[in-house]
Amino acid sequence: DTGVSQNPRHKITKRGQNVTFRCDPISEHNRLYWYRQTLGQGPEFLTYFQNEAQLEKSRLLSDRFSAERPKGSFSTLEIQRTEQGDSAMYLCASSERQVFGNSPLHFGNGTRLTVT
Amino acid sequence: AQSVTQLDSHVSVSEGTPVLLRCNYSSSYSPSLFWYVQHPNKGLQLLLKYTSAATLVKGINGFEAEFKKSETSFHLTKPSAHMSDAAEYFCVVSPVDDYKLSFGAGTTVTVRA
Repeated sequence: DTGVSQNPRHKITKRGQNVTFRCDPISEHNRLYWYRQTLGQGPEFLTYFQNEAQLEKSRLLSDRFSAERPKGSFSTLEIQRTEQGDSAMYLCASSERQVFGNSPLHFGNGTRLTVT
Repeated sequence: AQSVTQLDSHVSVSEGTPVLLRCNYSSSYSPSLFWYVQHPNKGLQLLLKYTSAATLVKGINGFEAEFKKSETSFHLTKPSAHMSDAAEYFCVVSPVDDYKLSFGAGTTVTVRA
């Protein structure tokens, strides 16, 4: 178990540029999640994949945001035409499905985005 | 719908003294409850989870939490704080077998030498 890996750790970009983040989940986990955390707040749900299928997107995820998980393995989160309000920590998590009860999420160390 | 309220935004304790982090939740269903810890510039690490098996849940690093349905609470405790416990702690609720976690705003723990 090598844990959830996120790249890059930090990204500084100018307003209006596009950015892409990558997440590699724990290999046997079929569920993958993206959360966003702003300073002083708890993480907020953005989107969720089961295998390669994106099953839900939060209203927080505007049209400028897109997430993919080709082949049900790693995932990418792209933000187009970044705005200063997009500055946050973007967290990826994965879990395995249990028949009963929730399987806990395993989080990566996050990608901190700063939009200048 | 579910939500979480962490009653203290900041808790300061002396090393070796008990720690209490308070959490109240609301949920339309029988929830799963979790505590996560986040050290600076790190991801979230699961401390413990409650999924209706036992009301007193033991976690890692000496932490435990008690589920009290009548009080809709899930407070986190540790008998003796260590300097390494200084971090941000999040109480989290989710309906059973659902993927959408609702996080509290977090409690920052400071440990004084």
